[in-house]
Amino acid sequence: SQQGEEDPQALSIQEGENATMNCSYKTSINNLQWYRQNSGRGLVHLILIRSNEREKHSGRLRVTLDTSKKSSSLLITASRAADTASYFCATALYGNNRLAFGKGNQVVVIP
Amino acid sequence: ETGVTQSPTHLIKTRGQQVTLRCSSQSGHNTVSWYQQALGQGPQFIFQYYREEENGRGNFPPRFSGLQFPNYSSELNVNALELDDSALYLCASSRRDPREFEQYFGPGTRLTVT
Repeated sequence: SQQGEEDPQALSIQEGENATMNCSYKTSINNLQWYRQNSGRGLVHLILIRSNEREKHSGRLRVTLDTSKKSSSLLITASRAADTASYFCATALYGNNRLAFGKGNQVVVIP
Repeated sequence: ETGVTQSPTHLIKTRGQQVTLRCSSQSGHNTVSWYQQALGQGPQFIFQYYREEENGRGNFPPRFSGLQFPNYSSELNVNALELDDSALYLCASSRRDPREFEQYFGPGTRLTVT
């Protein structure tokens, strides 16, 4: 099964700065999703981008998808201490909604 | 809050024992997926249930089994526990609609096998 691979694995930034995370995958997908996880708890869905979309915004989040490079990026603008969490990308294949997750990015926002 | 609940929150078992984890889906969702998340890793897909039948399985041995009930709640059973089964177990509910892929995760059950 394919998996997203995030890069970088850990990121430490000052409050107010932007945080960018990247994700790559291996095969054709139906959609790509980003999730946040606080302290080993449940995952919270952030944003979904479909394979025919190139960019999507949700509040302070901006996601891009480049299907030719099989990669996606998540940008968090004007970061806050509450954004401190692990961020995962997950891909979904056509025909099913099982998710293949990457290893995650740990983001620490310093107040 | 996603409306998905899991029980218990934490569990400690001994190697060789059996465990049952429970999940209640969000209202209106007929599909439940289970994931295993080892420490420092991303969640790994175990299996998915739709209308009480298994609908896809990841790379997990048969000692991982599940059930889905008519009210769409679900159980994950693990037999002959091994130390490597220690992980956070997450369930996620969703609609079985190819246009709707967002999954709603519960808070997870932390299983420790000693």
